[in-house]
Amino acid sequence: NAGVTQTPKFQVLKTGQSMTLQCAQDMNHEYMSWYRQDPGMGLRLIHYSVGAGITDQGEVPNGYNVSRSTTEDFPLRLLSAAPSQTSVYFCASRRSLLQGNTIYFGEGSWLTVV
Amino acid sequence: GESVGLHLPTLSVQEGDNSIINCAYSNSASDYFIWYKQESGKGPQFIIDIRSNMDKRQGQRVTVLLNKTVKHLSLQIAATQPGDSAVYFCAENLLNAGGTSYGKLTFGQGTILTVHP
Repeated sequence: NAGVTQTPKFQVLKTGQSMTLQCAQDMNHEYMSWYRQDPGMGLRLIHYSVGAGITDQGEVPNGYNVSRSTTEDFPLRLLSAAPSQTSVYFCASRRSLLQGNTIYFGEGSWLTVV
Repeated sequence: GESVGLHLPTLSVQEGDNSIINCAYSNSASDYFIWYKQESGKGPQFIIDIRSNMDKRQGQRVTVLLNKTVKHLSLQIAATQPGDSAVYFCAENLLNAGGTSYGKLTFGQGTILTVHP
């Protein structure tokens, strides 16, 4: 059981470039989300999805797009990378909307924008 | 605004001691609270959670206490071990308008726990 898999693990981008962070889960979870973690701060929610075809914005959505065409995959797209998007990105999934279902996190993607 | 914060950014303990990590929250309508452990270079790992209708919950070597009166949450780790060294986050699970939890966690800043042998 692979759990939540993120790729790439590390990426360096130039300002203005676009890229996609991939996230896949093999647990048939309904709920998936993306967080960013900056030094000295907790994780902040970027976007989330409660099922295939449904996405919504979190706390810090600007500069990011997401889509959920399948239950398994939830890619995060940076449209035009900015230095402020240098961060560690975590994808997470959860089985359902029922209270108490554990949220599982991926290992993280370290992104540097120069 | 709504926020979840931690009283202490760092905590150093000796191996074998008990550790207490504190967390304050401001949203009295929160669904439930979760503690995560994050080791260097890894994603957060679930430790224990507690629902808002409970005051205490115990796990293996860990206990979470919830004081709704003062909006305070704590994580107690018994017989702390070097392997417990990590950053610990509390997270608040917010409800939407319909009362359903979508897992929109609000995280605190984190407490760095260092265990000295």
